[in-house]
Amino acid sequence: AQSVTQLGSHVSVSEGALVLLRCNYSSSVPPYLFWYVQYPNQGLQLLLKYTTGATLVKGINGFEAEFKKSETSFHLTKPSAHMSDAAEYFCAVEAGTALIFGKGTTLSVSS
Amino acid sequence: NAGVTQTPKFRILKIGQSMTLQCAQDMNHNYMYWYRQDPGMGLKLIYYSVGAGITDKGEVPNGYNVSRSTTEDFPLRLELAAPSQTSVYFCASSLGEASQHFGDGTRLSIL
Repeated sequence: AQSVTQLGSHVSVSEGALVLLRCNYSSSVPPYLFWYVQYPNQGLQLLLKYTTGATLVKGINGFEAEFKKSETSFHLTKPSAHMSDAAEYFCAVEAGTALIFGKGTTLSVSS
Repeated sequence: NAGVTQTPKFRILKIGQSMTLQCAQDMNHNYMYWYRQDPGMGLKLIYYSVGAGITDKGEVPNGYNVSRSTTEDFPLRLELAAPSQTSVYFCASSLGEASQHFGDGTRLSIL
């Protein structure tokens, strides 16, 4: 069965610093992987997804993620954090028809 | 396009009451989903539908019912509200097994 583990429920960075949000997955088949962002009192918005092909995936707002099969990881990065990046981030793996989500990581950005 | 529209945005129910959470999408997506989000737990799939007239249970279906009479609408019904159903409910839709689009959620409190 597929599962997703997000390491760290809360990550704090300074504005301009590197953002690294960790996600490990478990899947018996080649996975489709997703990162979603949720701003306060809003729904989830797709940041990026990996299906097949290039393992480095670029998304919106300057985020990218790298699929590493050997490490079963799909970590999300951004070179320079902005105050507007403060939000909750969810990693998800496709499981048949639906998605299985991690528990989320709250990103705080300080000036 | 409105995307995925959920109503109401907020609701307070008494234990034992019933209600229907409405979800409508205007993207002609065949797949629709209902999730609940609890603090620190990520999103859990309640029910999903792959087309009009077809529904199936997700991970946490107990206490809920759904119907899908049209492509556009996918209401979620709570028959006998219980405090454990206090949560934020998200509806989502997708074209086949592509990326899911989320509504802004319904915040439900049961007292």
